[in-house]
Amino acid sequence: EAAVTQSPRNKVAVTGGKVTLSCNQTNNHNNMYWYRQDTGHGLRLIHYSYGAGSTEKGDIPDGYKASRPSQENFSLILELATPSQTSVYFCASGETGVEEQYFGPGTRLTVL
Amino acid sequence: QQQVRQSPQSLTVWEGETAILNCSYEDSTFDYFPWYWQFPRESPALLIAIRPVSNKKEDGRFTIFFNKREKKLSLHITDSQPGDSATYFCAASVNPPQVVGQLTFGRGTRLQVYA
Repeated sequence: EAAVTQSPRNKVAVTGGKVTLSCNQTNNHNNMYWYRQDTGHGLRLIHYSYGAGSTEKGDIPDGYKASRPSQENFSLILELATPSQTSVYFCASGETGVEEQYFGPGTRLTVL
Repeated sequence: QQQVRQSPQSLTVWEGETAILNCSYEDSTFDYFPWYWQFPRESPALLIAIRPVSNKKEDGRFTIFFNKREKKLSLHITDSQPGDSATYFCAASVNPPQVVGQLTFGRGTRLQVYA
């Protein structure tokens, strides 16, 4: 059974709309991450968290917010979506001291 | 500024050949280097990783060679198989817990193995 799940798997949004991407993990890991993946750019870190109630900015946080209400859940929020945020978004979890990150299946977001 | 660079961007080899994927990095404080692979329409997954205390790490047909002085590493895939066709990402991090296992990824090398 998948340990990191994401919803929705696909999303079409309109420019200026609010989008929330959800991630749930059953690994009981402290750390969670949000990445976006674009052709030619690899994986870029948007926000991360080291436990419930904490969020930290990654390398490209502008235009995104994050929320970690519990150990299991980590959300990525686009308050005012723009076409430049069209991408595939991956959530991952990992444990401090054990560097492997476990990725979810990804969410394909299209902003029209 | 790219902290982790990969080359080539794409690579094609025939079945049975050795594929060599290159990676270099800027930050000398990086001390953990995992390689992730990603098959089409799937999510990335850890393939193999190395720490600078070693200059070589083997796992079956996959070997990482590491040169700390030159800040370079390479992934060698011997006896390449069509099932190895994927995008390979080199990544780097500073030893946790200082930065919570935060990984910096390269842009990837797309490997195609023809039968």
